[in-house]
Amino acid sequence: SQELEQSPQSLIVQEGKNLTINCTSSKTLYGLYWYKQKYGEGLIFLMMLQKGGEEKSHEKITAKLDEKKQQSSLHITASQPSHAGIYLCGAGGGSQGNLIFGKGTKLSVKP
Amino acid sequence: GAVVSQHPSRVICKSGTSVKIECRSLDFQATTMFWYRQFPKKSLMLMATSNEGSKATYEQGVEKDKFLINHASLTLSTLTVTSAHPEDSSFYICSARDPTPGEKLFFGSGTQLSVL
Repeated sequence: SQELEQSPQSLIVQEGKNLTINCTSSKTLYGLYWYKQKYGEGLIFLMMLQKGGEEKSHEKITAKLDEKKQQSSLHITASQPSHAGIYLCGAGGGSQGNLIFGKGTKLSVKP
Repeated sequence: GAVVSQHPSRVICKSGTSVKIECRSLDFQATTMFWYRQFPKKSLMLMATSNEGSKATYEQGVEKDKFLINHASLTLSTLTVTSAHPEDSSFYICSARDPTPGEKLFFGSGTQLSVL
């Protein structure tokens, strides 16, 4: 079965700094989703990548799917306290058409 | 955009009681809904797939009699935790699939269940 490995598990950065979160799949990715979650709340859809080499941006967040389609990175530029939360990558590898998820990366941004 | 409403957001109950969680798709018909459970510092784990008009498909290790799922309409799925125990305390999230072109999965806001 497909597994998603996220790194780092947690991250503390100073406000204004850039950061990158990685998501590595054990199998080829056919659709990679990035979500943000605040503790005890639901998932907020950030973006979806499908094609190898594809890159999408939303405000100061950029995500890219590598050419081999087994890894994605999420990059935040000039981080702000509002970026704090848990970032989850998800892939359409579930047997029921569901998404499977990485364990998440907890991001804290110090003002 | 499409919205999935999940209710309640938090519930505290006594051990032995049952708790019902509702998941509604507000502006699309969801033939399939998914129920996930999230443990601290762990990934979202799929519990079951809820299909409108048919029995839910449960993942291995999930007790069907304990976690009752009903998908009676195209916009509503419910998860009932029966005879809840403290170990059932967790964060539960539903997800609904919008079958229209550009298919996407949308998530509810989650339910934090605490069993005393």
